Amino acid sequence: QKEVEQDPGPLSVPEGAIVSLNCTYSNSAFQYFMWYRQYSRKGPELLMYTYSSGNKEDGRFTAQVDKSSKYISLFIRDSQPSDSATYLCAAVSSGSARQLTFGSGTQLTVLP
Amino acid sequence: DTAVSQTPKYLVTQMGNDKSIKCEQNLGHDTMYWYKQDSKKFLKIMFSYNNKELIINETVPNRFSPKSPDKAHLNLHINSLELGDSAVYFCASSSRDRLNEKLFFGSGTQLSVL
Repeated sequence: QKEVEQDPGPLSVPEGAIVSLNCTYSNSAFQYFMWYRQYSRKGPELLMYTYSSGNKEDGRFTAQVDKSSKYISLFIRDSQPSDSATYLCAAVSSGSARQLTFGSGTQLTVLP
Repeated sequence: DTAVSQTPKYLVTQMGNDKSIKCEQNLGHDTMYWYKQDSKKFLKIMFSYNNKELIINETVPNRFSPKSPDKAHLNLHINSLELGDSAVYFCASSSRDRLNEKLFFGSGTQLSVL
């Protein structure tokens, strides 16, 4: 079992839809959670970062963490074709190594 | 200016060959990484260097040898390439004096072993 599990998709939605991307994790030591966006033939780029349980909003993007159920989500409002990418959730513990553990990614296509 | 640059972008080679991938970052970060991404987009860390010192070495065949001549460079040398080494390899960097591990990735090197 992977430490971070992610809905594999692929996910295809019409422009303007609300998108929900989800991950679960099993390691209680994970303290920080991130969402990376990866366009085709590019490296991942950090989209959202959060530490505590609850919601964090940045424009059309909302990251949600529920540490009690070990569940993390990314919501995209008013989705645009430019949002089409692979979205990777990641988690990191507060230990000395502090290495990121990634989910396997969800490929999202927003249709115009 | 590209923050994390890696070369080459594409690498096609025969089984058994030795090849290198170079990585440079101009962000002033003190930690650099190599990640491998398989065909299913799963990203797995291979190595991490902090100030030229190896701090993470995941279960990677010893055919893979990272080399860090200075903290701005982390190269990856692969001996005796095998078919299963075909993947996209990403270099990344971060600043470990920050609480979060915000990684900056290069654009990747797509390695195809024939």
